[in-house]
Amino acid sequence: DGGITQSPKYLFRKEGQNVTLSCEQNLNHDAMYWYRQDPGQGLRLIYYSQIVNDFQKGDIAEGYSVSREKKESFPLTVTSAQKNPTAFYLCASSITGSELFFGEGSRLTVL
Amino acid sequence: AQSVTQPDIHITVSEGASLELRCNYSYGATPYLFWYVQSPGQGLQLLLKYFSGDTLVQGIKGFEAEFKRSQSSFNLRKPSVHWSDAAEYFCAVGATNYGQNFVFGPGTRLSVLP
Repeated sequence: DGGITQSPKYLFRKEGQNVTLSCEQNLNHDAMYWYRQDPGQGLRLIYYSQIVNDFQKGDIAEGYSVSREKKESFPLTVTSAQKNPTAFYLCASSITGSELFFGEGSRLTVL
Repeated sequence: AQSVTQPDIHITVSEGASLELRCNYSYGATPYLFWYVQSPGQGLQLLLKYFSGDTLVQGIKGFEAEFKRSQSSFNLRKPSVHWSDAAEYFCAVGATNYGQNFVFGPGTRLSVLP
């Protein structure tokens, strides 16, 4: 079955550590996205990529970094510069002109 | 820039009752409109979408939504709620058909009483 796989589902980070969240899709979608979700708020866009080796900042990119070396993969690194990283992170993909397809999410907690 | 409001943070209905979740958007032209559902700790699943044409759209799980341009609304409805419908519902609007332009509302949490 085609879909989006995010890992790990739960992740704990100590202060000052970088962590990387994995996102893999086998839907053959060109575009991929990372969103952050906090309670009571809608989804906020962190980064997006429309083609391999190219990506753009979203609304809240500070403290995050991404890469897009393969069409199928779009990992997100939460750096130590992110002041409040505890959140639920969602990866999504799409073809142009259509809806977003989401992964199951990764919950990051800072200890 | 477009924006989305969902006036109800939390709604509780009895199983079998009808449901309407409100969504209002701000955008000058005809937007792309979506409703997504999220179960706790899960990703979002698309219920339905509106791009153009018939303003009453049918979705999965018995949901429908109506686009009303005059009211800038895209309310979600279901005639008879099931206990499994308890979840969080998000309305989203896109100024274009590019995903990076989609804006999500804050969500409405639905509880269902037996």
